[in-house]
Amino acid sequence: GAVVSQHPSWVICKSGTSVKIECRSLDFQATTMFWYRQFPKQSLMLMATSNEGSKATYEQGVEKDKFLINHASLTLSTLTVTSAHPEDSSFYICSAKAVDGANYGYTFGSGTRLTVV
Amino acid sequence: DAKTTQPPSMDCAEGRAANLPCNHSTISGNEYVYWYRQIHSQGPQYIIHGLKNNETNEMASLIITEDRKSSTLILPHATLRDTAVYYCIVISRGSARQLTFGSGTQLTVLP
Repeated sequence: GAVVSQHPSWVICKSGTSVKIECRSLDFQATTMFWYRQFPKQSLMLMATSNEGSKATYEQGVEKDKFLINHASLTLSTLTVTSAHPEDSSFYICSAKAVDGANYGYTFGSGTRLTVV
Repeated sequence: DAKTTQPPSMDCAEGRAANLPCNHSTISGNEYVYWYRQIHSQGPQYIIHGLKNNETNEMASLIITEDRKSSTLILPHATLRDTAVYYCIVISRGSARQLTFGSGTQLTVLP
């Protein structure tokens, strides 16, 4: 089945620094990847849709200059949290859908726990 | 995409079948029912999906009513490792849109 690898699984950073999270589709190609954020005891909330070779589409209320998304290839999307602050501490999850419409549905990464101190 | 309604929580005894209901009364003809689960601090895991026929795989069975307005996910022999939040999501199969997560059902399997 389809596998999405997300790295790192957890990261602690100082306030004001930037953190990059990678999302890779290992055995399929994905023109579209999605980035979600999840706060404790809440459901997943979509942050942005990442499109290979074009600009990401951000959901309302998500700052595109703070959450930089790059989708440079069919197997890799990155999310960079710039000038991180404690309120950015959250669980970030990516997902991807296979290009060829195979019966994989949407596959999710294992998530990244970001703690900003 | 059609909205779904799920009970916020359910308990199930270990070894027994867990039956998780989902209402999707506004589902349209080209929309599929997908089930995912999220174990604490992990990414969501695909379980099963279906259009109108009942489906079964190694993880679970999906029963969809004839009018497609509701469905039930069945875990035939629940184990402690099945404790998770279960999400029922309706979406068009060919859609490039994202999955929209509701609040799901917290299933707790009790020893």
